[in-house]
Amino acid sequence: AQKVTQAQTEISVVEKEDVTLDCVYETRDTTYYLFWYKQPPSGELVFLIRRNSFDEQNEISGRYSWNFQKSTSSFNFTITASQVVDSAVYFCALWHNNDMRFGAGTRLTVKP
Amino acid sequence: EAGVAQSPRYKIIEKRQSVAFWCNPISGHATLYWYQQILGQGPKLLIQFQNNGVVDDSQLPKDRFSAERLKGVDSTLKIQPAKLEDSAVYLCASSLAGVYEQYFGPGTRLTVT
Repeated sequence: AQKVTQAQTEISVVEKEDVTLDCVYETRDTTYYLFWYKQPPSGELVFLIRRNSFDEQNEISGRYSWNFQKSTSSFNFTITASQVVDSAVYFCALWHNNDMRFGAGTRLTVKP
Repeated sequence: EAGVAQSPRYKIIEKRQSVAFWCNPISGHATLYWYQQILGQGPKLLIQFQNNGVVDDSQLPKDRFSAERLKGVDSTLKIQPAKLEDSAVYLCASSLAGVYEQYFGPGTRLTVT
């Protein structure tokens, strides 16, 4: 069975701090996709990144970066120099064979 | 480009009543998904359509939930009869295909009293 664990329920930081959101996944399959989504207070899920299981290169997009490590089944997300607008719930998700599983989410609060 | 549209945005019903939600995906997206998101949890996939055919509905409570996607575009999700535990946000998403990123609508917040 597939499973995604986001152990951090809530994180609070002060603006300009760096923050890392952890994501650990479980799957027996070799071909799968990992995603991160942001859910701001408005409620609409916003796509951030997709990564397939054969591409372990880390990715950077502006202040966002992702660290994919198959050896530890982790796909962590780092926000550098956090801003108040980054406050949201962030979800990690795993897709395989038409089955999409989301983690429980991490609520990030960035204080001014 | 227009995003995923859903209606209504909010619905309050009594238990044992029926309710229906509507979704219009992004134009050209073959795959459509319905999720249930209970407060404080991540979305749970209920059903996935590829064009107008069901790809996976293993987590859909078929004794009370039904969904259809006629003509491979719009979709409706119905609950009949509703239970208190059905209170949740129902999200619709679409994608070009199953492996691609999904784009979500604003959701329908259902309250069953």
